Amino acid sequence: AQSVSQHNHHVILSEAASLELGCNYSYGGTVNLFWYVQYPGQHLQLLLKYFSGDPLVKGIKGFEAEFIKSKFSFNLRKPSVQWSDTAEYFCAVNYRGSQGNLIFGKGTKLSVKP
Amino acid sequence: DAGVIQSPRHEVTEMGQEVTLRCKPISGHNSLFWYRQTMMRGLELLIYFNNNVPIDDSGMPEDRFSAKMPNASFSTLKIQPSEPRDSAVYFCASSLAGGGPEKLFFGSGTQLSVL
Repeated sequence: AQSVSQHNHHVILSEAASLELGCNYSYGGTVNLFWYVQYPGQHLQLLLKYFSGDPLVKGIKGFEAEFIKSKFSFNLRKPSVQWSDTAEYFCAVNYRGSQGNLIFGKGTKLSVKP
Repeated sequence: DAGVIQSPRHEVTEMGQEVTLRCKPISGHNSLFWYRQTMMRGLELLIYFNNNVPIDDSGMPEDRFSAKMPNASFSTLKIQPSEPRDSAVYFCASSLAGGGPEKLFFGSGTQLSVL
């Protein structure tokens, strides 16, 4: 079955620390990849996406993600986190031909200490 | 546009009661998705509609769950009878069909607690 794995359930960092959140997906053909963010009490928002082309994708708020096809991975990174980055982050995959369905990982909660 | 509107924001009910969650998609969007978010399983797609027609309901957990979309501007997700294990956050999302999942807009969710 198609699935998405996020390696860390909860990550705690101090401000200015670097962040990397892992995401792996199961093989299922050509994929579109996404990271969503959910700030406390808010709805899911798109952080960045990859469809094709440059595997290093830059999103909002200084986030970036790298698609490594050979590893079926799409890890999220940020060089220096801020307290305002405290949120839950979801990796999601759309397998092309699946009519727009998104399969989400279970999410990683990020807590940034001021 | 006000975005995807879900109601109620919070729902607390007793086991065995009927629960109805409501969603108003963004005007002009013709695809609507219902997701459930739990600690154990993360975000799961329950069902989605294109042009008010259910396309894939394979994610609906069991017969106690049903979803309808009587028109382009309204959808309901009903649980009857509800059970404590149904406690979760239920998200509705909408997009333009063929617009791709990057065009998916989420509502703020309904926090359901079944006691």
